Amino acid sequence: GAGVSQSPSNKVTEKGKDVELRCDPISGHTALYWYRQSLGQGLEFLIYFQGNSAPDKSGLPSDRFSAERTGGSVSTLTIQRTQQEDSAVYLCASSLTKGEKLFFGSGTQLSVL
Amino acid sequence: QQQVKQSPQSLIVQKGGISIINCAYENTAFDYFPWYQQFPGKGPALLIAIRPDVSEKKEGRFTISFNKSAKQFSLHIMDSQPGDSATYFCAARGTSGTYKYIFGTGTRLKVLA
Repeated sequence: GAGVSQSPSNKVTEKGKDVELRCDPISGHTALYWYRQSLGQGLEFLIYFQGNSAPDKSGLPSDRFSAERTGGSVSTLTIQRTQQEDSAVYLCASSLTKGEKLFFGSGTQLSVL
Repeated sequence: QQQVKQSPQSLIVQKGGISIINCAYENTAFDYFPWYQQFPGKGPALLIAIRPDVSEKKEGRFTISFNKSAKQFSLHIMDSQPGDSATYFCAARGTSGTYKYIFGTGTRLKVLA
């Protein structure tokens, strides 16, 4: 596609359930980032991939959060045993190797009831 | 620990006026300073960016001023238009090899017609 695609665009789940959020980066972009945007807050860094490896996962809030990237392309962010404080917009961005211009997707709005 | 501080949180400007948003950073290990513009329901999009070896960069109505010694940079929007109404984020990219971006908390700009 022409841009970064994220799915689903909206996800409502019950507390304690697991969720998977998907990101399809722009073809050829080796760098991929996940950010979290809470209401009225800035963008909180979660994890960065270069190819399939994650040299920086320092932003993952707890061990309930994990992410993987396969084939140097699609990435999945998994949140286990969701909590209400996990409610936020999860944004994915991709860029060419050295990441000077980030291209963001429109995000997944996660609501944990 | 917040490494990029952004102000103001919100800003209202008359059409044709100048909008000024400020950011300050704490860590000297940053090598690239972009500004992103975000409209409701969309992901942020790169607006303009600067490297620390220059003090100013202008693109159309948008100018970044950079003060390396003070660790501050600002976005100036000249002749502000209602279409500029959006949330603006400053960011700084790390040089530690992870190319992680730290974002400010955002400024919600409203330009009155």
